Amino acid sequence: DAGITQSPRHKVTETGTPVTLRCHQTENHRYMYWYRQDPGHGLRLIHYSYGVKDTDKGEVSDGYSVSRSKTEDFLLTLESATSSQTSVYFCAISDRPNTGELFFGEGSRLTVL
Amino acid sequence: GENVEQHPSTLSVQEGDSAVIKCTYSDSASNYFPWYKQELGKRPQLIIDIRSNVGEKKDQRIAVTLNKTAKHFSLHITETQPEDSAVYFCAASTGGRRALTFGSGTRLQVQP
Repeated sequence: DAGITQSPRHKVTETGTPVTLRCHQTENHRYMYWYRQDPGHGLRLIHYSYGVKDTDKGEVSDGYSVSRSKTEDFLLTLESATSSQTSVYFCAISDRPNTGELFFGEGSRLTVL
Repeated sequence: GENVEQHPSTLSVQEGDSAVIKCTYSDSASNYFPWYKQELGKRPQLIIDIRSNVGEKKDQRIAVTLNKTAKHFSLHITETQPEDSAVYFCAASTGGRRALTFGSGTRLQVQP
């Protein structure tokens, strides 16, 4: 498996609290992505990064922000969590932009009460 | 942006039968079409991909076909086995800064 870890793996929080999910990679891949997975919706892109301090919005970016200050770390922040953000979040990395294999992390299950 | 539709949402077959999952895409500029398999509780993993200059690609029991004119592509699994049971996702991309768009997934169950 590619060297990619997500933390925390499980989190329960309350509506209105901030939450940060961390993705850490040891592959030195330039491209990193955050997806959320919900039943019936597949994998939907939240934000992605093409390098340090180079990020862009995906199809479901409202309510989320990201930061990438180092190649190896990509942080996803929910500024004020809502119940609709209860989901499984996957980080993915790639060495090619959008036409190469995505290596996924193990996922972070977030429950917002 | 790109829209990828995937059918069926669930598929049950007997062991040894074939399974076919179909996807359509909307952006004629898409040129990369991967398939990912996600076993229960695990991360998605790439099983096969195809690029727009190829009409078909095979890897042992799995194959993918692409019809660019009709904008659809399909995954074919032959001689299914219980370990093929998983959720399968198709995806499409135009490359560049346009990220992969995934279909909604197909849950395949192979009955022993």
